Amino acid sequence: AQKVTQAQTEISVVEKEDVTLDCVYETRDTTYYLFWYKQPPSGELVFLIRRNSFDEQNEISGRYSWNFQKSTSSFNFTITASQVVDSAVYFCALSEVGGKLIFGQGTELSVKP
Amino acid sequence: SQTIHQWPATLVQPVGSPLSLECTVEGTSNPNLYWYRQAAGRGLQLLFYSVGIGQISSEVPQNLSASRPQDRQFILSSKKLLLSDSGFYLCAWSAGGTNSPLHFGNGTRLTVT
Repeated sequence: AQKVTQAQTEISVVEKEDVTLDCVYETRDTTYYLFWYKQPPSGELVFLIRRNSFDEQNEISGRYSWNFQKSTSSFNFTITASQVVDSAVYFCALSEVGGKLIFGQGTELSVKP
Repeated sequence: SQTIHQWPATLVQPVGSPLSLECTVEGTSNPNLYWYRQAAGRGLQLLFYSVGIGQISSEVPQNLSASRPQDRQFILSSKKLLLSDSGFYLCAWSAGGTNSPLHFGNGTRLTVT
């Protein structure tokens, strides 16, 4: 069965620290897509990135970077030089047939000034 | 550009009362539509999804139902609310396919008293 595990329930860091959010997935599909979403206190889920199973190149977008390793079924998310505005719940998700997403339980990141 | 509207933002309803949450999408045609619920434990649970008018798939049998009377309108309903229906309800759309990210509305926070 498809499954996404975010083992870190809560992480607290001080501003300017780097932080990595872990995501491990399980799937039997050979082609699949992985996603990261951010949920700020306002509640709306904001799409951050999509990665397909054939592309294991790391991706960097500003202070955000993603490391996809198929061998370990992981898709980790790193925030460099964290800021208070990064405080949110972050979700990793795996696509299913029909375009449905299976979400992990989320990691609540708290960045303190 | 595409936008998704969801209302109301908050709702307090007594046990046994009916429920109707509405979601509409603009700027796209024939989207896939989804209802998710986020309980206090943070995980996102897929309730219903629809790939077209009148086509509804239920993921979890429960006290809720969904309808899609128009291409870009998705309604979540209940005839009699239970205390356990409390939560944060999120509507989302996608272009379809496993590679399409979901785009979420702002959510409805429902409290059943």
